[in-house]
Amino acid sequence: AQKVTQAQTEISVVEKEDVTLDCVYETRDTTYYLFWYKQPPSGELVFLIRRNSFDEQNEISGRYSWNFQKSTSSFNFTITASQVVDSAVYFCALSATTSGSARQLTFGSGTQLTVLP
Amino acid sequence: ETGVTQTPRHLVMGMTNKKSLKCEQHLGHNAMYWYKQSAKKPLELMFVYSLEERVENNSVPSRFSPECPNSSHLFLHLHTLQPEDSALYLCASSQDYGTGVNEKLFFGSGTQLSVL
Repeated sequence: AQKVTQAQTEISVVEKEDVTLDCVYETRDTTYYLFWYKQPPSGELVFLIRRNSFDEQNEISGRYSWNFQKSTSSFNFTITASQVVDSAVYFCALSATTSGSARQLTFGSGTQLTVLP
Repeated sequence: ETGVTQTPRHLVMGMTNKKSLKCEQHLGHNAMYWYKQSAKKPLELMFVYSLEERVENNSVPSRFSPECPNSSHLFLHLHTLQPEDSALYLCASSQDYGTGVNEKLFFGSGTQLSVL
């Protein structure tokens, strides 16, 4: 079975601060995929990034960066110089094989990020 | 605009009502999903359809009945719901199902359901 833990339920920062959202996962699969999604107040989840388990290179996209560490089973997400528009719920997710051999996407419970002006 | 449209955006229903949620995707995807999002909980996968066949049914009560008449449309029929069924119901689609690489999901904005 797989599990995703986002220990931070809510985070508040002031605009321009850096913020890191934590994600810890559990799986017995050797091949798996990790995702981050953003859910703004409008409701729809928006895909941010997908990484496979064989690629531990950190990734940077503008103000967003991701730190994947297999040794600690973590896939943390950092927003640099946060902006009010970054306020949203952020979900980490894991795609791994279920007991029935079909892959299934397991989500964490999300972190509500509020960026104050 | 994600290419996945859900209607209605909000729905209030009594426990004896019958209603349906609708989802439509314009992305040419082969897989469609229903998720339930309750406050402070992980998204719960309810149903998955791949090429119009149901491939996942995660122990969902029979008062929720999905229907996938074609690859672009997905319905969730509701009847005799309970107050604890109040939640945001999200529809999603992906190019394929179960391959990992193609599991990038595109979500609709959801239907906020309140059961009185």
